[in-house]
Amino acid sequence: GESVGLHLPTLSVQEGDNSIINCAYSNSASDYFIWYKQESGKGPQFIIDIRSNMDKRQGQRVTVLLNKTVKHLSLQIAATQPGDSAVYFCAENGSGNTGKLIFGQGTTLQVKP
Amino acid sequence: EAQVTQNPRYLITVTGKKLTVTCSQNMNHEYMSWYRQDPGLGLRQIYYSMNVEVTDKGDVPEGYKVSRKEKRNFPLILESPSPNQTSLYFCASSSYGTGRDDTQYFGPGTRLTVL
Repeated sequence: GESVGLHLPTLSVQEGDNSIINCAYSNSASDYFIWYKQESGKGPQFIIDIRSNMDKRQGQRVTVLLNKTVKHLSLQIAATQPGDSAVYFCAENGSGNTGKLIFGQGTTLQVKP
Repeated sequence: EAQVTQNPRYLITVTGKKLTVTCSQNMNHEYMSWYRQDPGLGLRQIYYSMNVEVTDKGDVPEGYKVSRKEKRNFPLILESPSPNQTSLYFCASSSYGTGRDDTQYFGPGTRLTVL
């Protein structure tokens, strides 16, 4: 079945270091991927997205890398700050035309001061 | 401010007592969707709507109803809530299907407890 998974449930990093959060997806037909950040008590917040015709996309302090060969997605956060502490989800659009997003289980990022 | 709003944010109810969770977006989005979030299961889609008067089932529609009479509103209805519907619910909207932007924007969530 379709699934999107993250490799690590929790990632702990030192403030100022770079963070890398990984995600594996299973549906080869997915052509749109999104990273969301969810802080405690809030809804998922869009961070960055990428389409399958790209390998890399950069935003402010964040970079998403897509490796379609191994169906792998990663989110890189530069100079991680305490405010980056949250649960990060990757999502894919799957193969149907329903607009549904398929979410991974999430990785908790803990930033140590 | 562009946003998706949900009400109520918190609700404790009893089994069988009908309830409605409202969702409204001010971004003129055609697409709206409801998800539930449960520990270990992630976010799962309940229902979605491509446009006014067009709704369809997601992955976990049992026990839920929706309606889309207006573009901006997409209420979630639990006709006879049961304890297994205790969850955190999110409404989302996007321009999906229009070719503009498939990004889904989420509301703040509604935490529902059914006793």
